[in-house]
Amino acid sequence: GAVVSQHPSWVICKSGTSVKIECRSLDFQATTMFWYRQFPKQSLMLMATSNEGSKATYEQGVEKDKFLINHASLTLSTLTVTSAHPEDSSFYICSEKSALSGTDTQYFGPGTRLTVL
Amino acid sequence: QKEVEQDPGPLSVPEGAIVSLNCTYSNSAFQYFMWYRQYSRKGPELLMYTYSSGNKEDGRFTAQVDKSSKYISLFIRDSQPSDSATYLCAMSENAGGTSYGKLTFGQGTILTVHP
Repeated sequence: GAVVSQHPSWVICKSGTSVKIECRSLDFQATTMFWYRQFPKQSLMLMATSNEGSKATYEQGVEKDKFLINHASLTLSTLTVTSAHPEDSSFYICSEKSALSGTDTQYFGPGTRLTVL
Repeated sequence: QKEVEQDPGPLSVPEGAIVSLNCTYSNSAFQYFMWYRQYSRKGPELLMYTYSSGNKEDGRFTAQVDKSSKYISLFIRDSQPSDSATYLCAMSENAGGTSYGKLTFGQGTILTVHP
């Protein structure tokens, strides 16, 4: 099946700094990737849809200037949390849409745990 | 009202039991239904995928979709301690629509299978 990797798996940063999270597709050529945030014991909340070569589409309530997404190649999408604050501490997970035609299946990366001090 | 409702549990069963996990939804446009398993501090892993109504079996797992009732289920037979995880239902509308590829998740059910 599809393999999606994320880096780093865990990051701790000081308040006010920026953090970049990478999401790589190792099997498919992912023209569409998704970024989710998950708080403890809660479900995944879609933040944005990342399209290769174009601007990301953000969900309502997600600040696009704070969560910068870049998807410059078919295998790499990055999420940068700018001027991070403690309330941004969360588990960030990316996914790619299955290349199988006619399905909306997504394959998820292992996630990145962000802790902002 | 949430688009997808899932009982968060927690659910605790003995090894070997049959587990039933369920989700209800309100959006009649949902066509694709998935179950994901998520271990603590890991990304979700796709377990089952079903298109429209019907049943699908894969080993110890059976997924059922009843679109008329807007109700989906996942059954786990002969449950094992290694099945202990959070189970998330997810669903989406037709590919190619305005919500192309967007998944809507349930809250997740925490399952513990004890030896």
